[in-house]
Amino acid sequence: AQRVTQPEKLLSVFKGAPVELKCNYSYSGSPELFWYVQYSRQRLQLLLRHISRESIKGFTADLNKGETSFHLKKPFAQEEDSAMYYCALDAGGYNKLIFGAGTRLAVHP
Amino acid sequence: DTAVSQTPKYLVTQMGNDKSIKCEQNLGHDTMYWYKQDSKKFLKIMFSYNNKELIINETVPNRFSPKSPDKAHLNLHINSLELGDSAVYFCASSQVSAAPNEQFFGPGTRLTVL
Repeated sequence: AQRVTQPEKLLSVFKGAPVELKCNYSYSGSPELFWYVQYSRQRLQLLLRHISRESIKGFTADLNKGETSFHLKKPFAQEEDSAMYYCALDAGGYNKLIFGAGTRLAVHP
Repeated sequence: DTAVSQTPKYLVTQMGNDKSIKCEQNLGHDTMYWYKQDSKKFLKIMFSYNNKELIINETVPNRFSPKSPDKAHLNLHINSLELGDSAVYFCASSQVSAAPNEQFFGPGTRLTVL
């Protein structure tokens, strides 16, 4: 079954602390994974994708096929990182995205 | 301004009514989607059209009927609205042939069924 699991509904940290938002997936094929972010009163937008191996706004995510994980990390959280983060799996064929339940990141001053 | 737009932004209606939500994209994409975000912020795909052809149809009540008059538009019509239909509905688009398949989302339509 194709599934994305984000075990934490809320992650609350102080500014400057490291952040790790967990994502695990279940997929029989070769996965394409994404992180999307929704800031307050803004539309959902792509943050990063595993295939690009990029760092966006200080965030990185590494695909670990052995652990079927794609955790999102940032060494030093900023208040402007507060948002809803969704991990998503491209289930193949016309970009069908399966989203996790989302994790709300709250960064406190 | 290139984007995915949706109308209306808010929709409040009574149970049993029929309503439509419109979506337009001017990004030149060939594929459009409808997602439903429930009160717990869970986001689930409902439909997808590629070049006006229905290609993804998840387990959605047949009261929901998408219509794509052309590649740039994907409308969602809902018959006999129920309380459980209350949610935020997001439209999105992407260019399937392009890598790495980013989807661009509209601002959402908050539907409240009373």
